[in-house]
Amino acid sequence: SAVISQKPSRDICQRGTSLTIQCQVDSQVTMMFWYRQQPGQSLTLIATANQGSEATYESGFVIDKFPISRPNLTFSTLTVSNMSPEDSSIYLCSVERQNARYGYTFGSGTRLTVV
Amino acid sequence: KQEVTQIPAALSVPEGENLVLNCSFTDSAIYNLQWFRQDPGKGLTSLLLIQSSQREQTSGRLNASLDKSSGRSTLYIAASQPGDSATYLCAVEDQAGTALIFGKGTTLSVSS
Repeated sequence: SAVISQKPSRDICQRGTSLTIQCQVDSQVTMMFWYRQQPGQSLTLIATANQGSEATYESGFVIDKFPISRPNLTFSTLTVSNMSPEDSSIYLCSVERQNARYGYTFGSGTRLTVV
Repeated sequence: KQEVTQIPAALSVPEGENLVLNCSFTDSAIYNLQWFRQDPGKGLTSLLLIQSSQREQTSGRLNASLDKSSGRSTLYIAASQPGDSATYLCAVEDQAGTALIFGKGTTLSVSS
């Protein structure tokens, strides 16, 4: 199955600033997914990113707040813009299932704290 | 809209006990179901994937079953160990290649 390198692993940011999270995959994948996990909650899908097209955002998430880039089949970034303390969460990227045997693979997560 | 529910939300057991975690989903037309483990503040580790045509999967001390018609899956952990302490997440793949839909998880604590 694919191996995902996600960075940074954690960061503490000032409100009003932006943070860009990167995910690098060791193989080419068509679809990448970005999730948010707020404290004590489960994972919520932010958007689906396909290479060569604009990301598809879920209800409650907008491109101005969470711009996503997908320049090639192995890389994607998620930016959290104009941050507030409510953005403090773990952000995770994931890639589609590679074959019938292996499930979805996730990055190690970015733990963001906004102060 | 698919919803995934996990019961119990938290569970504390002494070392050595066998235990069962439950997952239910509202729409039985799923493609796959996957169980994950998450340690505090960390990412997700895949434990087991059950394809929609399968009834169960086993890996070491873990056994996951799937009953699509009733919208249920269980994760059985045999002879629990303190190292099993983590949050266990159940997720369904509604359609092939779409994003996973997660339950809220069961937080397991195994005491020595």
